Amino acid sequence: AQSVSQHNHHVILSEAASLELGCNYSYGGTVNLFWYVQYPGQHLQLLLKYFSGDPLVKGIKGFEAEFIKSKFSFNLRKPSVQWSDTAEYFCAVNDNAGKSTFGDGTTLTVKP
Amino acid sequence: GAGVSQSPSNKVTEKGKDVELRCDPISGHTALYWYRQSLGQGLEFLIYFQGNSAPDKSGLPSDRFSAERTGGSVSTLTIQRTQQEDSAVYLCASSLGQGAHEQYFGPGTRLTVT
Repeated sequence: AQSVSQHNHHVILSEAASLELGCNYSYGGTVNLFWYVQYPGQHLQLLLKYFSGDPLVKGIKGFEAEFIKSKFSFNLRKPSVQWSDTAEYFCAVNDNAGKSTFGDGTTLTVKP
Repeated sequence: GAGVSQSPSNKVTEKGKDVELRCDPISGHTALYWYRQSLGQGLEFLIYFQGNSAPDKSGLPSDRFSAERTGGSVSTLTIQRTQQEDSAVYLCASSLGQGAHEQYFGPGTRLTVT
């Protein structure tokens, strides 16, 4: 069975601080990895994804994530956060048989 | 274009009643997912449809839960004999396919069982 673990439940940063949110997954087969974001009052939307190729992927709004196969990790990073990045962030893994597993989410609060 | 829509947006029901939740996916999306999100929790995968068929129903929490999809489009999630622990936000998402395709989420239905 696949599982996703997000280590930080709630992160509080000041503007311009650097961000790294941890995500580890457990699955033995081919995985497709995603980070989704839910801004206050909005739907979940895609930040970025990895399914093959360059393990460093770039997404919207300056976010990036690195897939490290040996560590079963897909951590999300941003060099300098803004107040508008306040949101809930979810890491997810899809197998190729339709199963999709999400982590419990990390709430990011950025203080202006 | 239109996104994923869900109805109703809010539903309050009495314990023991049946409820039906509806999801209209993005046109042309063959894959459709249902999730449950309880307060402070992540998204719990319930079921996945590819076209009208659901290859894996093991995510449904109990036999009180069922889902169907007709015409490769609209899907309904039915909860029979609702219990208080069924209270949650039920999210629907659709995508062009499984695996590497991103999912597009609807606004959710907030279900409260009193």
